[in-house]
Amino acid sequence: NAGVMQNPRHLVRRRGQEARLRCSPMKGHSHVYWYRQLPEEGLKFMVYLQKENIIDESGMPKERFSAEFPKEGPSILRIQQVVRGDSAAYFCASSETGASGTEAFFGQGTRLTVV
Amino acid sequence: GDSVTQMEGPVTLSEEAFLTINCTYTATGYPSLFWYVQYPGEGLQLLLKATKADDKGSNKGFEATYRKETTSFHLEKGSVQVSDSAVYFCALSGNTPLVFGKGTRLSVIA
Repeated sequence: NAGVMQNPRHLVRRRGQEARLRCSPMKGHSHVYWYRQLPEEGLKFMVYLQKENIIDESGMPKERFSAEFPKEGPSILRIQQVVRGDSAAYFCASSETGASGTEAFFGQGTRLTVV
Repeated sequence: GDSVTQMEGPVTLSEEAFLTINCTYTATGYPSLFWYVQYPGEGLQLLLKATKADDKGSNKGFEATYRKETTSFHLEKGSVQVSDSAVYFCALSGNTPLVFGKGTRLSVIA
């Protein structure tokens, strides 16, 4: 059973370009979470999705950021018109249910560098 | 809102030393508590968890006890190894997705 797969592992974008980060959850998991980690910082929650629905996006910046989790295919975190401050590691996690205490499994992350 | 506070790092210990990393939380209701570990260049791995008061989570020689009265979940290990060098994150899950502390970097030297 493959773990949570994120790609690409590393992504370099110039200011103003778009970044697309992909996350395939573990088999059987329908709950996906995206987190951002700045250097030497903890993980900041961005968005929680369950197949085709956004459950909680309280951590998403209001502009330029969007996320989806279609019925088929991976979850996508999209950042439009990237700026240097978007440089960070973006982690995806998945879980079988959304209940408290359910283990969330993390991918290896996508490290975005904006030049 | 819910929050987690853990001791600032970095922490540097000699091999076989005793480890404690403090973690306290603020939450409404009765959250589940977790410790995750992150090795360099990797994602987070669950180390241990506890889902109710007085539960003790344990794994790979690490332990943490859910203390409701002090709202704490301190991580301990009796004898650390060089291979334990990593960043450790305390986290909680209540009515929201996982909320993390800022992480504590541990370096163990031979």
